[in-house]
Amino acid sequence: EVKLEESGGGLVQPGMSVKLSCATSGFTFSDYWMEWVRQAPGKGLEWVAEIRNRANNYATYYGRSVKGRFTISRDDSKSLVYLQVDSIRSEDTGIYYCTSGWFAYWGQGTLVTVSS
Amino acid sequence: DIVMTQTPLSLSVAIGQSASISCKSSQSLKYRDGKTYLHWVFQSPGQSPKRLIYQVSKLDSGVPDRFSGTGSETDFTLKISRVEAEDLGVYYCCQGSYSPWTFGGGTKLELK
Repeated sequence: EVKLEESGGGLVQPGMSVKLSCATSGFTFSDYWMEWVRQAPGKGLEWVAEIRNRANNYATYYGRSVKGRFTISRDDSKSLVYLQVDSIRSEDTGIYYCTSGWFAYWGQGTLVTVSS
Repeated sequence: DIVMTQTPLSLSVAIGQSASISCKSSQSLKYRDGKTYLHWVFQSPGQSPKRLIYQVSKLDSGVPDRFSGTGSETDFTLKISRVEAEDLGVYYCCQGSYSPWTFGGGTKLELK
């Protein structure tokens, strides 16, 4: 059974940083591209970051609204993917989902609330 | 970036009726490999999203055949025949043909 479990969310002050993690199991993690998708309260889905697999040189891509502030990374030995969020803003508030397999697999999400 | 436009924003249906959602992309989603990476994702209230259909018309495992996807190039449709209570929620189309991947704004399926 494929499982993705996000963690690391919580209340964060504006301008600060937070690192989200996604633990996975049930599939060959190293073969897959991994994505982060977020959802602001009451809003739709927004793709924010992708990291490809070793065969694609672990290339990373970011959405326009987060480029320069978000960093995605992975640890194939632990089947983990991360999202480092720096200089966080109020508009970054939302649920952050880890997903893979062309959006076939999703975690339950972790809530990030940006507030002073 | 490719813009995905869904209509309608919301749809009221009675149980047992059919429903149809349109998704239009700002450019063709046919990739150079000949495949079209247009997917449909469903989110029931308070739950994580779940993919229903990939590459326009292929049903994910466990998805009932009441769901069907059609379309090509820039115009796509999700049809649900015989709507059931468990189908109520928000449907999103998303494209995975050209980075950055983008989602439609969502269509909320409600009970009439």
